[in-house]
Amino acid sequence: DGGITQSPKYLFRKEGQNVTLSCEQNLNHDAMYWYRQDPGQGLRLIYYSQIVNDFQKGDIAEGYSVSREKKESFPLTVTSAQKNPTAFYLCASDTGSNQPQHFGDGTRLSIL
Amino acid sequence: GESVGLHLPTLSVQEGDNSIINCAYSNSASDYFIWYKQESGKGPQFIIDIRSNMDKRQGQRVTVLLNKTVKHLSLQIAATQPGDSAVYFCAERGGSSNTGKLIFGQGTTLQVKP
Repeated sequence: DGGITQSPKYLFRKEGQNVTLSCEQNLNHDAMYWYRQDPGQGLRLIYYSQIVNDFQKGDIAEGYSVSREKKESFPLTVTSAQKNPTAFYLCASDTGSNQPQHFGDGTRLSIL
Repeated sequence: GESVGLHLPTLSVQEGDNSIINCAYSNSASDYFIWYKQESGKGPQFIIDIRSNMDKRQGQRVTVLLNKTVKHLSLQIAATQPGDSAVYFCAERGGSSNTGKLIFGQGTTLQVKP
């Protein structure tokens, strides 16, 4: 089945540690996105990429980094500079035109 | 600035009744709108979308209405079922200056009482 796979489902970070969240899609979509969701809140855009080897900051990019070396993959690194990383992280993709974004099932990040 | 909001954080309905979930948006240049359903611990699931050149679109048991005059979007669910219990988000995509980016509302929790 085509879709978006996020891993791991749960992740724990120690103080001062960087962690990387994986997002893979086999939908042949050009554009990919990372969102952060806090309890009872909507989704906020962290980073997005409309084409391989290019990406742009979203509304809350500080403390995060991304890469887009392959069309299928858009990993997100939560760095130690992100002081409040506990959240539910969602990856999405679309064709880049007026079509709906498709989402993965998220990674829940917690602090040890 | 841009914002998308839902009028009520929680909506409780009786099984079999119709549900109406509302959303207000502020960017008059937005040209594409989407409704998502999110169940606990999962990612948002696409329900229905509508472009700004339309004012109504129907799917299976769902209807989206768009009123551009007052910048209002609504999702109607017919014959609400227990499986419809979830958080519902509206999202808007702006004009060319916001290509690809969606702005999400805060979400409305739909509770279906048996």
